[in-house]
Amino acid sequence: GAGVSQTPSNKVTEKGKYVELRCDPISGHTALYWYRQSLGQGPEFLIYFQGTGAADDSGLPNDRFFAVRPEGSVSTLKIQRTERGDSAVYLCASSPLGSNTEAFFGQGTRLTVV
Amino acid sequence: AQSVTQLDSHVSVSEGTPVLLRCNYSSSYSPSLFWYVQHPNKGLQLLLKYTSAATLVKGINGFEAEFKKSETSFHLTKPSAHMSDAAEYFCVVSEVDTGRRALTFGSGTRLQVQP
Repeated sequence: GAGVSQTPSNKVTEKGKYVELRCDPISGHTALYWYRQSLGQGPEFLIYFQGTGAADDSGLPNDRFFAVRPEGSVSTLKIQRTERGDSAVYLCASSPLGSNTEAFFGQGTRLTVV
Repeated sequence: AQSVTQLDSHVSVSEGTPVLLRCNYSSSYSPSLFWYVQHPNKGLQLLLKYTSAATLVKGINGFEAEFKKSETSFHLTKPSAHMSDAAEYFCVVSEVDTGRRALTFGSGTRLQVQP
């Protein structure tokens, strides 16, 4: 596609439920990132994939959060036992291989845990 | 560890007057620095980036930024504000030379442009 696509654009879930957020990166981009943006804050890094593997997952807040990218393209961020504090906009970005290249961001998934 | 401080959470200017959004960074290595803009209900868009080439970087929509190592600053400027510039702006640092690709964002500066 022309840009990074994230689905759904909005997700409302009940506390304790499991959710999956999907990211379709720009075709050919090997690097994929997940960020979380809380209201009034800048995005915070969660995890970075290079190809199929998670090269850096140091930003995942706890073991309720997990992400996969099984074929090196689409990625899914999974959140178990959601809490109200997980409410935020989850952003996905992709970039080509190589250093000093910009990251292209999707419009995000707004997750609301009620 | 890398970090970014955006010195103003809100900036208000009149249309046609200069814009200055301030950013200071901290990095143990030679950083790459970026400015991103976020319009309401739209994705983050790259304005410009510094990657150890020229210290004065020109971006889209008339924006530019100057990398000053001695001051650890990377302020964003524009000579004349337009109504369409009203948005949230983020200063971002990355230490790609270390192999760590994560971007560290500042807390953002909301720019208001008054008619």
